Amino acid sequence: GAGVSQTPSNKVTEKGKYVELRCDPISGHTALYWYRQSLGQGPEFLIYFQGTGAADDSGLPNDRFFAVRPEGSVSTLKIQRTERGDSAVYLCASSGGPGNTIYFGEGSWLTVV
Amino acid sequence: DAKTTQPPSMDCAEGRAANLPCNHSTISGNEYVYWYRQIHSQGPQYIIHGLKNNETNEMASLIITEDRKSSTLILPHATLRDTAVYYCIVRGGSNYKLTFGKGTLLTVNP
Repeated sequence: GAGVSQTPSNKVTEKGKYVELRCDPISGHTALYWYRQSLGQGPEFLIYFQGTGAADDSGLPNDRFFAVRPEGSVSTLKIQRTERGDSAVYLCASSGGPGNTIYFGEGSWLTVV
Repeated sequence: DAKTTQPPSMDCAEGRAANLPCNHSTISGNEYVYWYRQIHSQGPQYIIHGLKNNETNEMASLIITEDRKSSTLILPHATLRDTAVYYCIVRGGSNYKLTFGKGTLLTVNP
């Protein structure tokens, strides 16, 4: 597609439930990123994929968070046993490779009630 | 990557030039200056980036001082739609990620 696409755009879930957020990067982009943004803060890095592998997952806050990119294109961010503190905008971004310009999607707004 | 310092907020009159400053005094020779903006409820939007020469595109101009310790993003004719948080980010040439600060909230007033 023309830009980074994220679904759903909004998700409300109950505390303790499992959530999946999907990202479709710009066609041909090998690098994919997930960021999280809380209200009033700048985006915070979660994980970086180069191709299918997670090259840097140092930003994942704990083991409830996991992301995959099995075919080197679409990625899914998975959150288990959601907590109210997980409420945030989850941003996906992609680039043509390390050092290339990074382009962001519109985000998935997650609310845990 | 080097840290950046930006004012938390600025105001600009519609139709006038908006000049957004950024300090990056510890920038290294191979680090680029990137600017992104984030309009309310949207994802960050890439604006421009540069190494040491001034850069211009259809959105803005980037002026980098000769010592590279600071830069200015210029929106030549600000409109109400330019109201957003503007992030100045220093990124190594081969670095794969961006590290965001709090940015500058630019408010364009009618």
